[in-house]
Amino acid sequence: GAGVSQTPSNKVTEKGKYVELRCDPISGHTALYWYRQSLGQGPEFLIYFQGTGAADDSGLPNDRFFAVRPEGSVSTLKIQRTERGDSAVYLCASSLTPQFEQYFGPGTRLTVT
Amino acid sequence: AQSVTQLDSHVSVSEGTPVLLRCNYSSSYSPSLFWYVQHPNKGLQLLLKYTSAATLVKGINGFEAEFKKSETSFHLTKPSAHMSDAAEYFCVVSVDSGTYKYIFGTGTRLKVLA
Repeated sequence: GAGVSQTPSNKVTEKGKYVELRCDPISGHTALYWYRQSLGQGPEFLIYFQGTGAADDSGLPNDRFFAVRPEGSVSTLKIQRTERGDSAVYLCASSLTPQFEQYFGPGTRLTVT
Repeated sequence: AQSVTQLDSHVSVSEGTPVLLRCNYSSSYSPSLFWYVQHPNKGLQLLLKYTSAATLVKGINGFEAEFKKSETSFHLTKPSAHMSDAAEYFCVVSVDSGTYKYIFGTGTRLKVLA
């Protein structure tokens, strides 16, 4: 079956611009996670959705970052007033329920110039 | 709080020799532990998982890991390395709460020499 997909695969934007990153989870998976992976580091947790609600957003670095999952499937990570420090690979993962293993998408590489 | 420590940032082995990638964890509860592999420009792929069943866990591509509570370790092994095993490997602990979010180690880059 289809895995987790993320679009775009690459995004280059200028400092100060707004970006949206999209994640399509595996069909039927109720739990959805966003992580950020900086160069040479392991991924770091950003936010977790159970269904439509953000059950844990403790990993969002500041209020420029926001995510939604309005219908309990597709999720969008939104970054306002981008900064060069936001450059990273943004990973999305989904799981059948939170207790099950997570399946990761290929990521979106964001570059802020 | 849970955490994982990957003791080696880089490991080099010759093709056909054993692989050992070390991971130590810290957890107040009985943890769920995972190993994921990341090939260049590819997504993270689950190798194996430990969820309080058998302490010796077998995964894909001949990898296995042993959960040792007394040593708080979850080392990844493979009897014979293949060139295709060259990749970044991450040890992961799942936070034992409602979110089950992952905490990743810093990764071990495995190089396989011909």
